[in-house]
Amino acid sequence: SQTIHQWPATLVQPVGSPLSLECTVEGTSNPNLYWYRQAAGRGLQLLFYSVGIGQISSEVPQNLSASRPQDRQFILSSKKLLLSDSGFYLCAWSDRVWTQYFGPGTRLLVL
Amino acid sequence: AQSVTQLGSHVSVSEGALVLLRCNYSSSVPPYLFWYVQYPNQGLQLLLKYTTGATLVKGINGFEAEFKKSETSFHLTKPSAHMSDAAEYFCAVSERTSYDKVIFGPGTSLSVIP
Repeated sequence: SQTIHQWPATLVQPVGSPLSLECTVEGTSNPNLYWYRQAAGRGLQLLFYSVGIGQISSEVPQNLSASRPQDRQFILSSKKLLLSDSGFYLCAWSDRVWTQYFGPGTRLLVL
Repeated sequence: AQSVTQLGSHVSVSEGALVLLRCNYSSSVPPYLFWYVQYPNQGLQLLLKYTTGATLVKGINGFEAEFKKSETSFHLTKPSAHMSDAAEYFCAVSERTSYDKVIFGPGTSLSVIP
């Protein structure tokens, strides 16, 4: 069966510091991959999606970037964090039939 | 563009009572429809989905939803609420793109009163 991992689970970072969140998927090949952000008490905002290695599309302009160095690895990065980057970051994969499966999430607090 | 509305950002029910969470979507073609549940500090878990075929879809934890094309609705129900059902529920609709785009509703927070 397929599983999706995210780490770290929780992260506290100062403003201006870099960020790297990692997501890996097991048990499937060539999935579509997604990064979402969920601000406190709000819905999901799609940040990035990827349909293959090295193929990244951004849904909204922002302080963040994403990379997909391997088929089942998706990384969310920032060179300098802002206070507004705080939130709950969710990685998801899809089976190319529109069903998305989510990881456990990373709680990021920027101080 | 697709959109999803969920009537009621907060819903409270008594334990053992019927759960009804409402979802309406806008779409010019029959979409795929989903309900997800999110427990505090966790990711989203797929409850059920409608793709084609039978319009009454059964999911996990005793939940079910009915696709009504004429009403563009996909309401989620459970006959008897349990304390463990307290969570955030998201309705979602597919958008026919090359990357399985899914549009999520704003969510409904369900509280279960003992």
